[in-house]
Amino acid sequence: GIQVEQSPPDLILQEGANSTLRCNFSDSVNNLQWFHQNPWGQLINLFYIPSGTKQNGRLSATTVATERYSLLYISSSQTTDSGVYFCAVGGGGSNYKLTFGKGTLLTVNP
Amino acid sequence: DAGVTQSPTHLIKTRGQQVTLRCSPKSGHDTVSWYQQALGQGPQFIFQYYEEEERQRGNFPDRFSGHQFPNYSSELNVNALLLGDSALYLCASSLLRRGYTFGSGTRLTVV
Repeated sequence: GIQVEQSPPDLILQEGANSTLRCNFSDSVNNLQWFHQNPWGQLINLFYIPSGTKQNGRLSATTVATERYSLLYISSSQTTDSGVYFCAVGGGGSNYKLTFGKGTLLTVNP
Repeated sequence: DAGVTQSPTHLIKTRGQQVTLRCSPKSGHDTVSWYQQALGQGPQFIFQYYEEEERQRGNFPDRFSGHQFPNYSSELNVNALLLGDSALYLCASSLLRRGYTFGSGTRLTVV
């Protein structure tokens, strides 16, 4: 199956700093999503981005499908950005599942 | 527009018991998937339901079963609970694979 690797595993920032999270995947995908898991466990969809670039406020994401990686940018980080960020990918054909990476634990200190 | 709704939010069961978790998909979505997330890990795919049939299954034993109803809602059943089944169970819904929306999860503790 598809392998997903996220880096870094942990990241500690001061409020206001910028960061880049990376997701590498081992095969072509037809679905790639970035999620933020809050302390209560809810997975919040940040981006559906199988290719290209998208922006939403202080967050943006880029997926280069041909090189099998995706980046999530967080600018001017806030304490509320803390939590685990997951990259999840889905294949095509009869493979409908999302395969998740192990996540990046982001801690933003005031 | 309601998102994905799961119930109950928390549950404590005894080893060997059976449990049923419920999920209502986001309005307009017709596909429901279930995931298990152990502490400190990423979610693992259990199975997906579409048109009331199990369309794909992950590496979980037959103790894990499910159902999808005509209104697209779904249930996850786990029989003969083990301590290792303690986890956060997440339901996700989608339409035509264009992105999955997750519920808040059910935290199951087996004692």
